[in-house]
Amino acid sequence: GQNIDQPTEMTATEGAIVQINCTYQTSGFNGLFWYQQHAGEAPTFLSYNVLDGLEEKGRFSSFLSRSKGYSYLLLKELQMKDSASYLCAAPNNAGNNRKLIWGLGTSLAVNP
Amino acid sequence: NAGVTQTPKFRVLKTGQSMTLLCAQDMNHEYMYWYRQDPGMGLRLIHYSVGEGTTAKGEVPDGYNVSRLKKQNFLLGLESAAPSQTSVYFCASSYRQNNYGYTFGSGTRLTVV
Repeated sequence: GQNIDQPTEMTATEGAIVQINCTYQTSGFNGLFWYQQHAGEAPTFLSYNVLDGLEEKGRFSSFLSRSKGYSYLLLKELQMKDSASYLCAAPNNAGNNRKLIWGLGTSLAVNP
Repeated sequence: NAGVTQTPKFRVLKTGQSMTLLCAQDMNHEYMYWYRQDPGMGLRLIHYSVGEGTTAKGEVPDGYNVSRLKKQNFLLGLESAAPSQTSVYFCASSYRQNNYGYTFGSGTRLTVV
């Protein structure tokens, strides 16, 4: 079957580092996306991984292991504005973005 | 450079009323989608389109209809609204193949009473 799993909730302290994990099962792997969604707003693109390894973008990094069906989003130097839901998603068809399979999201609360 | 525009942003309907949600994108994307998002349920695909004049059912299509007469527009219709359709609706679009996934509209918060 096709499925994406991620933790429901996480809490962390301002200035700390947090890792949000995602495991996936899809047919015809074609990359994995991370999105950020603040309360009451639309999801916005954070990262896309198609090859194994870590990709860094400022305070945010995303890691992928295709053999393990596993990804994580790493947030460094946490700020209060990072409190949001983080969604993991993967295309369910090889070769195009016809349909994404979405995780339910991980709600991250950053405390002072 | 508007991206994806959804209208309206908020709406309250009475049970049995009908309405149409409009989604417009100016990025020349081939694919367009309508999702609903409910607490604890995540994003659920209602209908989608892979090109002008085409539509297909998603996970939760019952009670909704769609049309894509022009490439830039994707309309979602509720023929006879029910309280179970109270939700936040998001439109999204994408290229057939790219590294940026979907671009979302700002959402429509619909309440059916």
